[in-house]
Amino acid sequence: EDKVVQSPLSLVVHEGDTVTLNCSYEVTNFRSLLWYKQEKKAPTFLFMLTSSGIEKKSGRLSSILDKKELSSILNITATQTGDSAIYLCAVVGAGSYQLTFGKGTKLSVIP
Amino acid sequence: EPEVTQTPSHQVTQMGQEVILRCVPISNHLYFYWYRQILGQKVEFLVSFYNNEISEKSEIFDDQFSVERPDGSNFTLKIRSTKLEDSAMYFCASRGGQGNTGELFFGEGSRLTVL
Repeated sequence: EDKVVQSPLSLVVHEGDTVTLNCSYEVTNFRSLLWYKQEKKAPTFLFMLTSSGIEKKSGRLSSILDKKELSSILNITATQTGDSAIYLCAVVGAGSYQLTFGKGTKLSVIP
Repeated sequence: EPEVTQTPSHQVTQMGQEVILRCVPISNHLYFYWYRQILGQKVEFLVSFYNNEISEKSEIFDDQFSVERPDGSNFTLKIRSTKLEDSAMYFCASRGGQGNTGELFFGEGSRLTVL
């Protein structure tokens, strides 16, 4: 059974801080790892990672995959209150159409 | 920007009743999904649908559940004889790409409350 573990489960930081969120996984025939941001309702897509060691970047957010360690990190620099959300990590195995999600990391950014 | 739309946003029903949750996926997408999230828990896969048939389903998706694409645009989830534990947020998602890569686009969700 595929498994995704995220840490920490929750995090409180001050605006301007840099945070690193962790995701580790066990999946049969890994295909890709995705990061989503969930505010009030729908998860919104952030990144999809398939290759180890290649950083994906979007503004203040970046993410990298380490297939050897079966893990990924999501970095957010210069955090803002609008970054407050639950960040979800999910994996897809080859031959499967389903995402297996972790429980998420709840990030709270306080002014 | 194209989006997945879901209706209703919230439905309250009595235990034992049937509910139908509706979704309009992004128009050129080929793969459709239902996920659910019980309050405080993680998002769980229910079913995937491609080429007018179920391509994969989880253990949660038992005989109580069914999906249908009755026309070219809607994708529905039917829950027969609802139970209290069916109370959750149900997310529809769609994907355009071939194979099993490519991001899923999620709808805003339909909150189901079973009393």
